[in-house]
Amino acid sequence: RKEVEQDPGPFNVPEGATVAFNCTYSNSASQSFFWYRQDCRKEPKLLMSVYSSGNEDGRFTAQLNRASQYISLLIRDSKLSDSATYLCVVNSNTGGFKTIFGAGTRLFVKA
Amino acid sequence: GAVVSQHPSWVICKSGTSVKIECRSLDFQATTMFWYRQFPKQSLMLMATSNEGSKATYEQGVEKDKFLINHASLTLSTLTVTSAHPEDSSFYICSARILGNTGELFFGEGSRLTVL
Repeated sequence: RKEVEQDPGPFNVPEGATVAFNCTYSNSASQSFFWYRQDCRKEPKLLMSVYSSGNEDGRFTAQLNRASQYISLLIRDSKLSDSATYLCVVNSNTGGFKTIFGAGTRLFVKA
Repeated sequence: GAVVSQHPSWVICKSGTSVKIECRSLDFQATTMFWYRQFPKQSLMLMATSNEGSKATYEQGVEKDKFLINHASLTLSTLTVTSAHPEDSSFYICSARILGNTGELFFGEGSRLTVL
């Protein structure tokens, strides 16, 4: 089992749609959680941090469920510019600081 | 946010040559930097952790003599792909983390290596 698992997609949605991405992680001692966005042939960029209390930034909402070891990202009112790969990222400090990347979920938003 | 600069962005070289990629933290000191490789449609794979003033820590399966890492200052780490072969063609990305923060990683722009 991978340490961080994501649905690879691709998700093909029309503009204005709401889309949800899921991510699970295996290390219960993981400490911090993030969603990154990666455009084709570019470096990943931080989209938002994820907290148990939830985190909302405009059209984006991230949620963490520690009991289920589950992370989600919700995008409302999708825009064409949201087309990218979304990476679920988990940090742990078990045996040293370690960052684990999910394989990413590809999103295509179409007009 | 913090800025990490990576150079060169693109490099094309002949098989058998060596290529050096630089990663600089521009507005903070990075005692630790990370080097990743990403093949098309795959996720980032950590190659090694670069530690300022000491030897890099390589992930399992990554040849340390093939991928030489030097972290001689608090703002610069270099990755040298020695005797490059076509299978080394990939997207190489560095990142750094500010000590004491929440663990957010700041990435360089990436370097796309093509070995002919």
